[in-house]
Amino acid sequence: AQKVTQAQTEISVVEKEDVTLDCVYETRDTTYYLFWYKQPPSGELVFLIRRNSFDEQNEISGRYSWNFQKSTSSFNFTITASQVVDSAVYFCALSEAPKTSYDKVIFGPGTSLSVIP
Amino acid sequence: DGGITQSPKYLFRKEGQNVTLSCEQNLNHDAMYWYRQDPGQGLRLIYYSQIVNDFQKGDIAEGYSVSREKKESFPLTVTSAQKNPTAFYLCASSRQVNNEQFFGPGTRLTVL
Repeated sequence: AQKVTQAQTEISVVEKEDVTLDCVYETRDTTYYLFWYKQPPSGELVFLIRRNSFDEQNEISGRYSWNFQKSTSSFNFTITASQVVDSAVYFCALSEAPKTSYDKVIFGPGTSLSVIP
Repeated sequence: DGGITQSPKYLFRKEGQNVTLSCEQNLNHDAMYWYRQDPGQGLRLIYYSQIVNDFQKGDIAEGYSVSREKKESFPLTVTSAQKNPTAFYLCASSRQVNNEQFFGPGTRLTVL
């Protein structure tokens, strides 16, 4: 069965600090896909990144970086030099390679990040 | 511009009434989804559809119904059988289930 755990319910940091959001997943498939989404106070979720299980390279996009480690089933997200605009709820998600019409994406419970000026 | 539209943004319903939330996408995506979000909570999947004329129940389908007659449209009906419908409803679409989802702006439903 698929499962996504985001153990950090809420995190508060002071502006310019670095912060890492944890994501641990469970799946029996060897082919799967991991995602991160951001939900700002406006409510609309924004896609940040998609990573497939065969690509363990870490990725950096500006102040954002992602660390994918299959050995620990983790896909952690780091924001460097945080800014107030980073305040949002962040969701990690997992999907397996599609096989049937019942396949779906599993979202974690989310981590609420507050960046204090 | 390609994207997902949801209407209305705010919806008020009296107890015992059915209401339908609209979701339209012009991204040519095969898969579409409805989620419910309660204050301070995560996303809960109501219904999803991987292809036209086919849809599956999610984790909390009771009291809801959907149709998928056209690729671009996936309306959600909140029926009177849904005992606590006040929530924020998000619609999303993706090319396939293993692709990133694009979300609409959401509909905030309040039962009076």
